[in-house]
Amino acid sequence: EAAVTQSPRNKVAVTGGKVTLSCNQTNNHNNMYWYRQDTGHGLRLIHYSYGAGSTEKGDIPDGYKASRPSQENFSLILELATPSQTSVYFCASGDNGGQNTLYFGAGTRLSVL
Amino acid sequence: AQSVTQPDARVTVSEGASLQLRCKYSYSGTPYLFWYVQYPRQGLQLLLKYYSGDPVVQGVNGFEAEFSKSNSSFHLRKASVHWSDSAVYFCVLRSNNYAQGLTFGLGTRVSVFP
Repeated sequence: EAAVTQSPRNKVAVTGGKVTLSCNQTNNHNNMYWYRQDTGHGLRLIHYSYGAGSTEKGDIPDGYKASRPSQENFSLILELATPSQTSVYFCASGDNGGQNTLYFGAGTRLSVL
Repeated sequence: AQSVTQPDARVTVSEGASLQLRCKYSYSGTPYLFWYVQYPRQGLQLLLKYYSGDPVVQGVNGFEAEFSKSNSSFHLRKASVHWSDSAVYFCVLRSNNYAQGLTFGLGTRVSVFP
């Protein structure tokens, strides 16, 4: 069964600290995505990747970096966390097919104090 | 620019009653459309999808959706809801650049009461 695993599930960080959110997929999908979910905004795309070694900016990339060291792993990095980055973050993977069904992880709840 | 609008932020329905969730989209080409469901503290799961063919598509757990090109709509329905259907439902449109992922509506929170 397709699986996307995120870690940690919950994280509390301090303002100005560095935060790394990790995502692992066993679907062998080329494409991976990071979204954040906030009340009133739905899901917004932060970064995505076509495959190992590639990262692309999504709709709201400011303050975030991404890393795709392998087909399976895609990380989201907050170099200097701010309270405005308090949110729930979702990782997803998708294939190259035209319909592009996405498979989501369970989410990481991040609080920046 | 493409967009998805779900006009109802919240819907409350009694168990056993029917449910319809509305979705309107804006897109110049042929749309790929999806409905995803998010249960509490979980990620999103695919309910159903539409690309072409029969405008009524069947999904999991008794859900179906009807595509209308003339109305730019993709409404979700279920004939008889169960308390376990309480969740947030998202209507989603595939991006022009499919590798960029999907354009999400804001979601409709469904509460099913016994």
